[in-house]
Amino acid sequence: GAGVSQSPSNKVTEKGKDVELRCDPISGHTALYWYRQSLGQGLEFLIYFQGNSAPDKSGLPSDRFSAERTGGSVSTLTIQRTQQEDSAVYLCASSPGQVADTQYFGPGTRLTVL
Amino acid sequence: AQSVSQHNHHVILSEAASLELGCNYSYGGTVNLFWYVQYPGQHLQLLLKYFSGDPLVKGIKGFEAEFIKSKFSFNLRKPSVQWSDTAEYFCAVIPYSGAGSYQLTFGKGTKLSVIP
Repeated sequence: GAGVSQSPSNKVTEKGKDVELRCDPISGHTALYWYRQSLGQGLEFLIYFQGNSAPDKSGLPSDRFSAERTGGSVSTLTIQRTQQEDSAVYLCASSPGQVADTQYFGPGTRLTVL
Repeated sequence: AQSVSQHNHHVILSEAASLELGCNYSYGGTVNLFWYVQYPGQHLQLLLKYFSGDPLVKGIKGFEAEFIKSKFSFNLRKPSVQWSDTAEYFCAVIPYSGAGSYQLTFGKGTKLSVIP
């Protein structure tokens, strides 16, 4: 079946611009997660959605980062006024929604901020 | 908060050699444990997982891992590696209940290079 998909696969932007990253979870998965993978920090948790609500946003690095999920499906991660330190691979994962469930990852969006 | 340590940053092996990658975690409660693999140019894929039951779990492509609760360890093993096993391997944990039981905590990863 179809896995988690993310778009775009690559995004190059200039410092100070806003970017939107999209995630389509596996159909029927109620839980959705965003992580960031960077050389210095490894894999970091950003935010978690159960349905359309985000019980925990504490992993978001700053108030320039926001995320939403609509219709219990697609999610968008928005980074405003991008900085060079935002350069990383942004990964989305989804799971059926049970506690401590297996998370299935998408291919990621590689963000480069010049 | 929980943390995960992977002992080796980069492991280089010849084909047919045996593999063991170490993983230790720090968390006082019950956890679910995972090994993910990232092949070159590909996304993270689940290799195997442990939730409960037999502490020796088998995954895809001949990999297995053993959960030793007293040592807070979940080491990954394969008796005979192949060139196609060249990848980066990540150990991850998630608390079974309570706060954060949705947040995977990853180790820094171990790069495995298999020489033909």
